[in-house]
Amino acid sequence: GNSVTQMEGPVTLSEEAFLTINCTYTATGYPSLFWYVQYPGEGLQLLLKATKADDKGSNKGFEATYRKETTSFHLEKGSVQVSDSAVYFCALSDRMNYGGSQGNLIFGKGTKLSVKP
Amino acid sequence: DADVTQTPRNRITKTGKRIMLECSQTKGHDRMYWYRQDPGLGLQLIYYSFDVKDINKGEISDGYSVSRQAQAKFSLSLESAIPNQTALYFCATSDVGAGYTFGSGTRLTVV
Repeated sequence: GNSVTQMEGPVTLSEEAFLTINCTYTATGYPSLFWYVQYPGEGLQLLLKATKADDKGSNKGFEATYRKETTSFHLEKGSVQVSDSAVYFCALSDRMNYGGSQGNLIFGKGTKLSVKP
Repeated sequence: DADVTQTPRNRITKTGKRIMLECSQTKGHDRMYWYRQDPGLGLQLIYYSFDVKDINKGEISDGYSVSRQAQAKFSLSLESAIPNQTALYFCATSDVGAGYTFGSGTRLTVV
């Protein structure tokens, strides 16, 4: 079945360091891919998404590129801030993405990021 | 007001008690979902509803039931709570072409 695997945390970085959180997926068809962020005590918020191969999603300095050949959607940021400390979830939609329709989301287990001043 | 509102925010209940978690939304979305979050396990889908007359089981529906009272309301019930249902519960909404919007969560503790 469809699944998402992301690197285990916690990840601890110093401010201004480069961030990579790896995410790979297994899916049939053409899933859409997402990164969600969960700040302490809050629900999940969509960070960025990509709906087809080679698409790059970006938001708030974060980027991820949909790589169909490696079935990956790694999250990157060039210079992290203390305010980026959160749990990051990679996810995919479990239906073929025709006409913008979207099925249920399947989540990875989350990666906790802590950024130290 | 938040787009997706969950009540209560926190709840402690005893084993064997019936408890209902409520979710309401102002997004106008047809689709609503209940997820459970456990540390290190990500989010697991309990139930989902694509409209008022459509209810579907997710991957971990045993021990839970739901009711879609209206387009804007989707409640989750634990008929007889047990300790391993202690978790953080999230409601979410979505619509065709739209992303998911999550509520702030309900932290449930079963003692």
